[in-house]
Amino acid sequence: EAQVTQNPRYLITVTGKKLTVTCSQNMNHEYMSWYRQDPGLGLRQIYYSMNVEVTDKGDVPEGYKVSRKEKRNFPLILESPSPNQTSLYFCASTSTGPNEQFFGPGTRLTVL
Amino acid sequence: QKEVEQNSGPLSVPEGAIASLNCTYSDRGSQSFFWYRQYSGKSPELIMSIYSNGDKEDGRFTAQLNKASQYVSLLIRDSQPSDSATYLCAVNAGYSTLTFGKGTMLLVSP
Repeated sequence: EAQVTQNPRYLITVTGKKLTVTCSQNMNHEYMSWYRQDPGLGLRQIYYSMNVEVTDKGDVPEGYKVSRKEKRNFPLILESPSPNQTSLYFCASTSTGPNEQFFGPGTRLTVL
Repeated sequence: QKEVEQNSGPLSVPEGAIASLNCTYSDRGSQSFFWYRQYSGKSPELIMSIYSNGDKEDGRFTAQLNKASQYVSLLIRDSQPSDSATYLCAVNAGYSTLTFGKGTMLLVSP
């Protein structure tokens, strides 16, 4: 089954404790991205990657890091989380050509 | 700044009616247009894509695109309570990057 997976689905942590949210896709897509979604602000892109070892900032990259060492994986790293990073996070991968974007199930992060 | 505008709603329709959702975009170079459905707390789900002017039908859904007016719409015929969700319009103007609207909440009452 074609899918995007994320882990963990829920996470409560404390300020400053480094964390990683994993994302994996099995569709062999080159383009992957991370979004955060907050009430009233919609989906905002954090980072994207056009291929292995190629990443770039989206609209709200501050406080986040990403890496793309393998085509299927695109982890999101919060080196020192702060309460304003409490949000719902989505990973997505996009098919070449049709540019149809498929989302993972989401990770609800709470930073205390 | 590329923008995608949607009325936030809620749009309330009775069961069986046609729901009409609208979206405008700012970038004339946009080539691909998408509608996503998102239930509360869940991830966006792609329901329609459209790439050329005119109508595209898929079951109860019809997407309409007018590039001259920079306008895209989604019609849902025979609306069901299960269609109650937020509908996101997304536009692609560059390499695989989508710009999303903030979504329109649809409420279908039995």
